[in-house]
Amino acid sequence: KQEVTQIPAALSVPEGENLVLNCSFTDSAIYNLQWFRQDPGKGLTSLLLIQSSQREQTSGRLNASLDKSSGRSTLYIAASQPGDSATYLCAVLGGANNLFFGTGTRLTVIP
Amino acid sequence: NAGVTQTPKFQVLKTGQSMTLQCAQDMNHEYMSWYRQDPGMGLRLIHYSVGAGITDQGEVPNGYNVSRSTTEDFPLRLLSAAPSQTSVYFCASSRTGGRAYNEQFFGPGTRLTVL
Repeated sequence: KQEVTQIPAALSVPEGENLVLNCSFTDSAIYNLQWFRQDPGKGLTSLLLIQSSQREQTSGRLNASLDKSSGRSTLYIAASQPGDSATYLCAVLGGANNLFFGTGTRLTVIP
Repeated sequence: NAGVTQTPKFQVLKTGQSMTLQCAQDMNHEYMSWYRQDPGMGLRLIHYSVGAGITDQGEVPNGYNVSRSTTEDFPLRLLSAAPSQTSVYFCASSRTGGRAYNEQFFGPGTRLTVL
């Protein structure tokens, strides 16, 4: 069974700092990897999708990389802002149409 | 586009009661699914559908039932609610199932408490 791990579980940084969130998965047979943002009490907002054949995707201040062979992905956030405070989830799409989720990294950006 | 919508937002049930969580999408997506989110655990797949009339079980299907009579709607039924089903439930959709380009879109969730 696919296992997805996100480290650290929580992270606090001062505003303006660049930061990296980590995601690892045990089975490299994936269709894609998706990063989501979840605000407290809210649903999931899709941030970036990396297809299995791709190495990275960028959207604004966000850059996600994928190394399928080593089972790792990183989400890089540049020049963090207090509005970036949220829980960030990564999920891999495997066989049987199942998205496997990590437990998330709770990010706090301190003004 | 409203995207993926879910009703109700909150629900409290007593043990043994039944109810239906509603999910609808207006993006003409073939693939729809239900997840539950519990503290300290990642979201887990309950049931999914690759098109109208086709459903299948996910990782944690026991105690839940689904049907897909239209492309737009994918209701989740709790047959006899148990306290272990206290959770936040999310519905999701994507263009198709099992493709690298598929981006999944999630609804706002339903918070269910079973007493």
